[in-house]
Formats: sequence, C-alpha cells, structure tokens
Amino acid sequence: AQSVTQLGSHVSVSEGALVLLRCNYSSSVPPYLFWYVQYPNQGLQLLLKYTSAATLVKGINGFEAEFKKSETSFHLTKPSAHMSDAAEYFCAVTPQGTGGFKTIFGAGTRLFVKA
Amino acid sequence: NAGVTQTPKFRVLKTGQSMTLLCAQDMNHEYMYWYRQDPGMGLRLIHYSVGEGTTAKGEVPDGYNVSRLKKQNFLLGLESAAPSQTSVYFCASSPASSNQPQHFGDGTRLSIL
Repeated sequence: AQSVTQLGSHVSVSEGALVLLRCNYSSSVPPYLFWYVQYPNQGLQLLLKYTSAATLVKGINGFEAEFKKSETSFHLTKPSAHMSDAAEYFCAVTPQGTGGFKTIFGAGTRLFVKA
Repeated sequence: NAGVTQTPKFRVLKTGQSMTLLCAQDMNHEYMYWYRQDPGMGLRLIHYSVGEGTTAKGEVPDGYNVSRLKKQNFLLGLESAAPSQTSVYFCASSPASSNQPQHFGDGTRLSIL
C-alpha cells in the first residue's frame, strides 16, 4: 500500500536560515506529489506539485521541492526562512491514474521560525 | 472568489445529539471530500463523492453519513455524536484528474461533550 512519511513532526529554524522539510513516499510507480501549507485556523493551501514534468518544482512564497525517484523523496526547501513561514506543512501523494480520493497525506511538520 | 465554504465554523454538541456540516464549492469541481484532522494524524478521509448523487466511504466512515444532492454541495451528518468525533473537519473539492490539487475550506471545529 502506498504511504508517505514526513520526517520530524516539528522543525525549528532561525529567520534567514535554510528551511528543509522532508517527505518520502513508498510506491513502485512514482505518484503525483503535493506540498500543502496550513496556517492557524485555516484550511490547507497548495504550495507546489509534481506531476511528472520537471523534477525541480517551484511553488509560492519562495518554496521549491525536488523529486528524486532513486530516493523516493520530495523534500521541500526555502533558502531563507521568514517569520511568516511559520505554519504546518503537509506532503501528499496521489497514485497516477486514480483520483483525489486515493490521496494519502503525511502527518505534517510544524515549522517554527525564531527571530 | 469564495472557493470552498464550510458552515458552521465552530460547534459544541452533547453526546447523542445530531448535526449536519455544510460544504459548498463554486469551482464546478466534480469531486468533493470530507476529512477529519486530529493532532499528529494528518488528514483522514471520511467520505467522498465523485459526482452529483454519488458518495463513497473513505478511511474512517463509521458514525458519519453524507449526501450530494447538488454538484456544488456536500453535506456531512453525525446522527448520534460521540466524544471520539471531536475533531476539526475539512471539506475539499477537486477536478476529476489525479494530477490536480484539492481545494480546502477553513474547517469546522467540533467538540462533543
């Protein structure tokens, strides 16, 4: 069965430091991959998605993620953290050829940004 | 540009009471979903719909029922609320294709006493 693992339920960085949030999936066929962000008292918003095109995907707010098939990973990065990046981040996978009802969400990583 | 709208935003119920959570989307999406979010567990799919008049069970359907009488609306019902159903409930919608993201509402925070 497909699964997605986010390493680290909490990540803390200083403002201006690199942000790295890890996501690994298990699937024999590369799925579609998504990163969502959730701010307090809000729903999830799409940051970026990988859909079999370029392996380096750029999203909103300066975030990007690289799909690495050999490592079954889709880690999220941002070169310089801003206070406004403090939120919870979810990695999600959807098997190709299915539908959103087959999407599996990771448990989430809460990002703290220190001044 | 409303997107996905959920009502109510907050609710407190007593054990055994019933209620309906409402979800409306204005993006003409085929698929709609109900999730619950609990700390450390990500999002778990309760029920979903792939079109008007159709519904299906997700990962955690027990204790819930749904209806999709109109394409833009998806209702989640709790017939007899239990404390274990205390959670934040999210409605989402998406196009039919699996390479499209889901669009989420802002959630309903439900407490069962």
